[in-house]
Amino acid sequence: DIQMTQSPSSLSASVGDRVTITCRASQGISNYLAWFQQKPGKAPESLIYSASSLQSGVPSRFSGSGSGTDFTLTISSLQPEDFATYYCQQYNFYPLTFGGGTKVEIK
Amino acid sequence: QVQLLQSGAEVKKPGASVEVSCKASGYTFTSYALHWVRQAPGQRLEWMGWINVGNGLTSYSQNFQGRVTITRDTSANTAYMELRSLRSEDTAMYYCARRPLSGTYSFDNWGQGSLVTVSS
Repeated sequence: DIQMTQSPSSLSASVGDRVTITCRASQGISNYLAWFQQKPGKAPESLIYSASSLQSGVPSRFSGSGSGTDFTLTISSLQPEDFATYYCQQYNFYPLTFGGGTKVEIK
Repeated sequence: QVQLLQSGAEVKKPGASVEVSCKASGYTFTSYALHWVRQAPGQRLEWMGWINVGNGLTSYSQNFQGRVTITRDTSANTAYMELRSLRSEDTAMYYCARRPLSGTYSFDNWGQGSLVTVSS
């Protein structure tokens, strides 16, 4: 199975900050990488697919990049509603696998 | 709008089975796949398996092989996930998630989740 490793596992940031989360795959997955946002007690929501394509309705302050084994999710200017846990997922190979999550907290 | 409405919370004893349903609306049911993902308390998301709703073909994670079955009823626009021989480690929130059958997309819509508690 492909292991997905996210870093950091948590971070504290202020509204307006630029935030970057990284995700590394244990082997190359091309650009079959998605990002999801999950708020406490809620289902995940889809943010990005194909490493860099925004899902419909997702604000443009979210962006993704990378290919192969190394990927990043960037929030250009953190908003109050962005405090949540973020997960990456590879979907190039079965079984589909997720990273351990990055919790973004208010500083 | 697309909606995936899951069945309610369940409490089961060890060794029992549970079936969770996922009723779809707002799109052509047979044009997408439905995947099942679970999340144990404080843990990462774990993929369980999926069904091609159009032709009924399924594939499962080896972690659940032999214990999980995913089916669908196209007349009811509903998919089902049955997990058997439950143990305490199966206590989790279970989600269905939609994925297009073609293209380079991952999950684009999720159900609200169904809590399954396994306790004696």
